[in-house]
Amino acid sequence: AQTVTQSQPEMSVQEAETVTLSCTYDTSENNYYLFWYKQPPSRQMILVIRQEAYKQQNATENRFSVNFQKAAKSFSLKISDSQLGDTAMYFCACSIQGAQKLVFGQGTRLTINP
Amino acid sequence: DAGVIQSPRHEVTEMGQEVTLRCKPISGHNSLFWYRQTMMRGLELLIYFNNNVPIDDSGMPEDRFSAKMPNASFSTLKIQPSEPRDSAVYFCASRPTGENTEAFFGQGTRLTVV
Repeated sequence: AQTVTQSQPEMSVQEAETVTLSCTYDTSENNYYLFWYKQPPSRQMILVIRQEAYKQQNATENRFSVNFQKAAKSFSLKISDSQLGDTAMYFCACSIQGAQKLVFGQGTRLTINP
Repeated sequence: DAGVIQSPRHEVTEMGQEVTLRCKPISGHNSLFWYRQTMMRGLELLIYFNNNVPIDDSGMPEDRFSAKMPNASFSTLKIQPSEPRDSAVYFCASRPTGENTEAFFGQGTRLTVV
């Protein structure tokens, strides 16, 4: 079974700043997949970025990048040049190879201030 | 495809009443998930199905909760009898085969039990 922990319930930064959201996970599997989802006030869940555990290179999607530390079981999300539209709940998730089960963390509420 | 469709969007019911939440997954997706979102616990996985078969219901809080998937295009989550602590947003999500695939979420059902 896998577990996901997000230790920052809330964060707040100024527009254009860089912010990093933390996520740790626990699984006994060697092959798994990690995700970050965004949930704006509309409640819609949107995939931001994903990372395969067997890849050493950190995933990047435009202003969003991850810092994947496999030994530490850490998967943080960095948002560069933050924008007002980045204001949302952010959820980290894990899925292990061979199983469709997708487990989420508690979420971090991020506010970008003008 | 219209995406994952949940109904109703909002439900207000009295304690002790039966509540049924409905979900239509994206056609062709093999896995279906039911999540509950609260401020305290984030996104909790209640149950998930693969090819209409329940695989893991360890997240179902108690016997008052039950879920069915009679066919590939429909699932229900039932709470009987409902209690005020069941108040939350309930999400349904579907996912194609593969541990690295994106899960697509419905808009959620906000349940209030008074």
